[in-house]
Amino acid sequence: QKEVEQNSGPLSVPEGAIASLNCTYSDRGSQSFFWYRQYSGKSPELIMFIYSNGDKEDGRFTAQLNKASQYVSLLIRDSQPSDSATYLCAPTSGSARQLTFGSGTQLTVLP
Amino acid sequence: DAGVTQSPTHLIKTRGQHVTLRCSPISGHKSVSWYQQVLGQGPQFIFQYYEKEERGRGNFPDRFSARQFPNYSSELNVNALLLGDSALYLCASSLLPGGPQETQYFGPGTRLLVL
Repeated sequence: QKEVEQNSGPLSVPEGAIASLNCTYSDRGSQSFFWYRQYSGKSPELIMFIYSNGDKEDGRFTAQLNKASQYVSLLIRDSQPSDSATYLCAPTSGSARQLTFGSGTQLTVLP
Repeated sequence: DAGVTQSPTHLIKTRGQHVTLRCSPISGHKSVSWYQQVLGQGPQFIFQYYEKEERGRGNFPDRFSARQFPNYSSELNVNALLLGDSALYLCASSLLPGGPQETQYFGPGTRLLVL
């Protein structure tokens, strides 16, 4: 069983719509949760992080965390073609609090 | 401020050879982590170093080793290369390895091709 599961893509949304990306994790000890964006051929770029249950907003991005359900999501409002990328969910786990990544969800925003 | 830097950007090796990848963290960051990303998958944790000490190791064979220097830069070494080692190797740095300052920032990566 994979430790971090993300909704299978690819996901396509029209420009201006809301994109919803979901992630579940198995390690109940995870305390920090990160979302990274990765353009093709590039390295992951931090979008935002969340530590506490509830919602956290940063511009067009909203992260939602529910530790009881072991679920974290990322909403992208007013999606733009430049948001087209692979989105990686990564809770921290282990003694080193290393990032444990899912396989990512590929998002395409159609003009 | 400069971000995380890695060298080289690309590398081609043959099976059985050895490779050394280098990473310089963001200024002030003391923790460095290494990840391997094969095509179509998320990055996988290899090592984490903090203050020159290994704090964690992922599920990788002993052919993989790393170290951190007094200036917090780091090297990843891979011996006896296999075709399956072909991947993007990512270095990430953070202020500290835990707590609110554990946010990791990635370098551009080193793309390794083993023939």
